[in-house]
Amino acid sequence: NAGVMQNPRHLVRRRGQEARLRCSPMKGHSHVYWYRQLPEEGLKFMVYLQKENIIDESGMPKERFSAEFPKEGPSILRIQQVVRGDSAAYFCASSPSRVGVHEQYFGPGTRLTVT
Amino acid sequence: DQQVKQNSPSLSVQEGRISILNCDYTNSMFDYFLWYKKYPAEGPTFLISISSIKDKNEDGRFTVFLNKSAKHLSLHIVPSQPGDSAVYFCAASDNTNAGKSTFGDGTTLTVKP
Repeated sequence: NAGVMQNPRHLVRRRGQEARLRCSPMKGHSHVYWYRQLPEEGLKFMVYLQKENIIDESGMPKERFSAEFPKEGPSILRIQQVVRGDSAAYFCASSPSRVGVHEQYFGPGTRLTVT
Repeated sequence: DQQVKQNSPSLSVQEGRISILNCDYTNSMFDYFLWYKKYPAEGPTFLISISSIKDKNEDGRFTVFLNKSAKHLSLHIVPSQPGDSAVYFCAASDNTNAGKSTFGDGTTLTVKP
């Protein structure tokens, strides 16, 4: 049973370019979460999605950032016109839809470097 | 306002001794607490959890204690092993925001042989 997959593992973008980060949840999991970890900091919640729905995006910056989890295919975190401050590790996690299950299963992360 | 705080950025213990990692929270709506372990260049992995209706949960060498009145929880690892060296994150969630977890900044544990 494959775990949460994220790609690419490392991504280098120049300022102003777009970054697309992909996340495939564990088989059978319908909930996806994105977190960002800045250097020397903890995990900061960004967005919580279910298939075709954004449930909570309270942690997402209002501009340049968007996320989707289509009916088919992986979840995508998109950052437009990247700036140096976007350099961070971005982690995706998934969980099943069973009520009362709070544990999340994390992918290995995508390390974004903006030059 | 940080709702989950891990006030010790690092902790160093000798192999075989007890490691105690602490976590404080401010949101009284939190009713489920989790600990995750993270190695460098990897994602966090779930370690152990506790519901607010309990005050202790044990799994092998790992025990989590919850003091609701103090809004404090702790993770005990005994005996500590060098392979336990990692960053430990405390997280909290509530059923009204099912699924969304709030994380602390982590404590780096180093277990010396």
